Amino acid sequence: AQTVTQSQPEMSVQEAETVTLSCTYDTSENNYYLFWYKQPPSRQMILVIRQEAYKQQNATENRFSVNFQKAAKSFSLKISDSQLGDTAMYFCAFTETSNTGKLIFGQGTTLQVKP
Amino acid sequence: EAEVAQSPRYKITEKSQAVAFWCDPISGHATLYWYRQILGQGPELLVQFQDESVVDDSQLPKDRFSAERLKGVDSTLKIQPAELGDSAMYLCASSLSGRRGETQYFGPGTRLLVL
Repeated sequence: AQTVTQSQPEMSVQEAETVTLSCTYDTSENNYYLFWYKQPPSRQMILVIRQEAYKQQNATENRFSVNFQKAAKSFSLKISDSQLGDTAMYFCAFTETSNTGKLIFGQGTTLQVKP
Repeated sequence: EAEVAQSPRYKITEKSQAVAFWCDPISGHATLYWYRQILGQGPELLVQFQDESVVDDSQLPKDRFSAERLKGVDSTLKIQPAELGDSAMYLCASSLSGRRGETQYFGPGTRLLVL
């Protein structure tokens, strides 16, 4: 079965500093997609960043970047220059084997950015 | 900016009662997903529609849950009878075509409490 594991239930970081959230996954596929979604308190979940497995280059979106290690099945999220608005629950997600677009989510990491 | 709408935002019900949740996806999105998110965990797919057809309901407890998307636009998820273990956040998401790797857009969710 395909699984996604986030081993850090909670993390905190000082404003303006950098933090890295960890994610590992298990799959036998060679081509797939990985995502980081952000769920702020009482607000809807939004996509932060996406990585296609066949692309060697790590994806970046402004202050957010990933470290994708395909052989190690690791997909960590780095947030640079952390802002108070980054306080949220972060979910790592993976596309399932079928072509339906179904996402399999990790357990989430609650990130608190402190002033 | 177009958003996924859900109602109600909160629902409190008693065990054995019937409840229904409504979702209106982003206009033009063919694919609609219902996820259940238990507190402190990642979302889990309950059912996925492609237009009006169900493409994945493998995790839907069919003895008590039902879902429909009659005209391929908005959707209703029903629970009858509700059980204590159904207390969770019910998230609706939509995407343009349901292809792997496509961004899913989430609604604000319906938080259900079963007493």
